[in-house]
Amino acid sequence: DTEVTQTPKHLVMGMTNKKSLKCEQHMGHRAMYWYKQKAKKPPELMFVYSYEKLSINESVPSRFSPECPNSSLLNLHLHALQPEDSALYLCASSQPLQGRGGYTFGSGTRLTVV
Amino acid sequence: GDSVTQMEGPVTLSEEAFLTINCTYTATGYPSLFWYVQYPGEGLQLLLKATKADDKGSNKGFEATYRKETTSFHLEKGSVQVSDSAVYFCAPRGGTSYGKLTFGQGTILTVHP
Repeated sequence: DTEVTQTPKHLVMGMTNKKSLKCEQHMGHRAMYWYKQKAKKPPELMFVYSYEKLSINESVPSRFSPECPNSSLLNLHLHALQPEDSALYLCASSQPLQGRGGYTFGSGTRLTVV
Repeated sequence: GDSVTQMEGPVTLSEEAFLTINCTYTATGYPSLFWYVQYPGEGLQLLLKATKADDKGSNKGFEATYRKETTSFHLEKGSVQVSDSAVYFCAPRGGTSYGKLTFGQGTILTVHP
């Protein structure tokens, strides 16, 4: 299995809702990432987990809350989002954080906040 | 940290034309270099990579050579197809931003029949 699977593919939520994005990989990768991508822009790093521990938080607002329940799963909990949070959210995984190999990306969750 | 400068787009070509997308990077240390491609409505896919100086990465007719002396990793394809229309990102990893993948701003390529 050489894929990163993200669910759901599309999500529409109100500003008072709570929702979660899910990401799963079975490649034995020990680093997992959340990125946010706006249209026609490069992905922006949000969070990095290394060996199931939060390693990097790129000053992301607290309305985004990551969770890594085990080495294969990564969640992003969403609460009280703003319309400007509408974007494509990408999950990725790689060999350990200090490595030099590439990342494997999922196909993303397209989030719309109304 | 690492930084990347990519050729500005958008780039518009006719089918079978030659493609070059320039990429230069700034990094201390010895990064691995990657090109990622993003087709409309999809996530990022690894297109090719190179891990040491003078290595040539290749895939689907695309090529790029790791030039340490000029800190460049230019993407080339001899004959583009309509299906190559996508956004292309150059990305080093493992230089100053230890372990983090650093993306260029992306180059939008449109190929017309």
